[in-house]
Amino acid sequence: GESVGLHLPTLSVQEGDNSIINCAYSNSASDYFIWYKQESGKGPQFIIDIRSNMDKRQGQRVTVLLNKTVKHLSLQIAATQPGDSAVYFCAENSGSARQLTFGSGTQLTVLP
Amino acid sequence: NAGVTQTPKFQVLKTGQSMTLQCAQDMNHEYMSWYRQDPGMGLRLIHYSVGAGITDQGEVPNGYNVSRSTTEDFPLRLLSAAPSQTSVYFCASSPTLNYGYTFGSGTRLTVV
Repeated sequence: GESVGLHLPTLSVQEGDNSIINCAYSNSASDYFIWYKQESGKGPQFIIDIRSNMDKRQGQRVTVLLNKTVKHLSLQIAATQPGDSAVYFCAENSGSARQLTFGSGTQLTVLP
Repeated sequence: NAGVTQTPKFQVLKTGQSMTLQCAQDMNHEYMSWYRQDPGMGLRLIHYSVGAGITDQGEVPNGYNVSRSTTEDFPLRLLSAAPSQTSVYFCASSPTLNYGYTFGSGTRLTVV
């Protein structure tokens, strides 16, 4: 899951398995959340978003779950592929004027 | 559409020098932001703009200036570079609030 500091949490999964990446967000007033994927040397890429009036949202091979009671967000990736190897960030709209605030990221490594 | 274009991709500055990081988007997005990313950490908001002529400070604005004279462009100025500003800088845009940001590919800045 997400944490503050210089060392990224890591998650290693076998190719074909499902991945679950967790994020604890900070602000109970946040009502919009996004997951981003960042490959080495590239900018963050939008994966999926969810608003606080929903508990679950599905995309292509990805599902985001939101638990507002415990301020927890998760990203599930089905049938993880080598191309899914990247750092994954969650973000919430808790910043100035509802700008996005990012977590520190989780490094996902897909093993052959 | 080119999306969000950042220049330069790499830059080395000496302490005390000034420079401008360029950001342009061709999606007619109203919202634009600058983030910095330090090793092993998430993205931190420097400045943002909710439309032409309107800018405001984010989480880490000190040492940076911005202006937004057109919808398309949102340059970031370093007034007097310091080693603490060594980082990767990302520009992002969004059509509206609480919508997924599109990120540029980043500018890697080293201050020596």
